Amino acid sequence: GQQVMQIPQYQHVQEGEDFTTYCNSSTTLSNIQWYKQRPGGHPVFLIQLVKSGEVKKQKRLTFQFGEAKKNSSLHITATQTTDVGTYFCAERDDKIIFGKGTRLHILP
Amino acid sequence: NAGVTQTPKFQVLKTGQSMTLQCAQDMNHNSMYWYRQDPGMGLRLIYYSASEGTTDKGEVPNGYNVSRLNKREFSLRLESAAPSQTSVYFCASSVPGPASYEQYFGPGTRLTVT
Repeated sequence: GQQVMQIPQYQHVQEGEDFTTYCNSSTTLSNIQWYKQRPGGHPVFLIQLVKSGEVKKQKRLTFQFGEAKKNSSLHITATQTTDVGTYFCAERDDKIIFGKGTRLHILP
Repeated sequence: NAGVTQTPKFQVLKTGQSMTLQCAQDMNHNSMYWYRQDPGMGLRLIYYSASEGTTDKGEVPNGYNVSRLNKREFSLRLESAAPSQTSVYFCASSVPGPASYEQYFGPGTRLTVT
């Protein structure tokens, strides 16, 4: 069945440093979605990528979909304390299956 | 628009007790979902309903039942709660089909089974 693997599971960075999380699949993905969950909150949709090699930016966040559509990444430039949370990738088919997420901690 | 609402927000049950988690959405979405979230396990799909009148099993359906009462409401029932069902439960909704995008999540129900 569908399965997306995320690495790393945890990441600690100094405020101002960059952060990247990766999402990998053994099969070709039809699309990839990214969500953010703040501590104690619920997941919130960030973006969906559909095309091979697609790159999208949202302010300091850059999302990429691999050429083979088997991997994706989320890169945050110059992290801020507001970036704290868990970032999930997910593949959307008839249902949405989530990766286990990467928890980002920001050290002041 | 309230979006997706869930009740209750918190619940403590004893082993063997039953309860129903309620979820409602006011966005006229066809598809609704129930997830559980455990530390280090991400979000795991319990059941989903692609449209009113249909329900399907997700990754971890054992010990749960669902009812799609109407287009707005999708409930999750624990018939005989077990400590392994201690978790945070999220309901979500979306518009189905390839042109649709995100799921909208409710605030969650934090359930403890002792």
